[in-house]
Amino acid sequence: DAKTTQPPSMDCAEGRAANLPCNHSTISGNEYVYWYRQIHSQGPQYIIHGLKNNETNEMASLIITEDRKSSTLILPHATLRDTAVYYCIVRVNYGGSQGNLIFGKGTKLSVKP
Amino acid sequence: NAGVTQTPKFRILKIGQSMTLQCAQDMNHNYMYWYRQDPGMGLKLIYYSVGAGITDKGEVPNGYNVSRSTTEDFPLRLELAAPSQTSVYFCASSQGRAGQETQYFGPGTRLLVL
Repeated sequence: DAKTTQPPSMDCAEGRAANLPCNHSTISGNEYVYWYRQIHSQGPQYIIHGLKNNETNEMASLIITEDRKSSTLILPHATLRDTAVYYCIVRVNYGGSQGNLIFGKGTKLSVKP
Repeated sequence: NAGVTQTPKFRILKIGQSMTLQCAQDMNHNYMYWYRQDPGMGLKLIYYSVGAGITDKGEVPNGYNVSRSTTEDFPLRLELAAPSQTSVYFCASSQGRAGQETQYFGPGTRLLVL
C-alpha cells in the first residue's frame, strides 16, 4: 500500500470549514483513498473514501487532485465533537490480507470555540 | 443493530496469565480483524479472518491466537501475557466485497499487563 503524509496537528474554529490535507504521491491506479477518524481513544470511525472523483456524504467531502497524488478532507462546518485524530489511508479496495488498514499517526484536529 | 461489540472494556492481567478478548458483530460481515493500538501510535493488524473457519496472521501475531467458528464471533486469545501486550485492542468487521470495504470498529478493550 502507498504511504501517506499528513500534518501532525491542525486547529479549526468552530463553525468554520476544516480542510485536512494528505499526500500520497506513490498511490497506484487501483488504490482508493480512505479517511477514518478516532475520537478520544474510541474505535476508528469511517468517514469517506474515493478513487479519483470527488466524493461527498453527510459527514464530509473528499477532494482528490487530478494526478491523485494528494487529497483533502473537508468538514464543512466543524463542531467541537469533530475534535479527533484523522487518518488518511490508501489501499486497494478488497478484503482479506489486502483489506487491513495501515494507520499512520494521522492529523490531530482541534476544533476551538 | 449493535454493530461490533467487544468485552471486556478493561482488564488488568498479571504476567503469564491468559485471557480471551471477545468480539462479536451482527452485520453478517464475512471479514473480521483484530488490531492493537499502542499509546500515540496508529493501529497494527494482529490477525484477520475472511470467513468462518479461516484465519490468517497480520503484522504482529506473536503471542496471540484466534479462532472463527461462526460468522458472528472472532475471539482473540492471549496465552502468556507479557508487559509488551499492554495496549488497546480493537476488533473490526467488513462486508468483504469489492466496493464494500468499509470497516466498522468496536469500542475497544484496554489491557494492562503488570
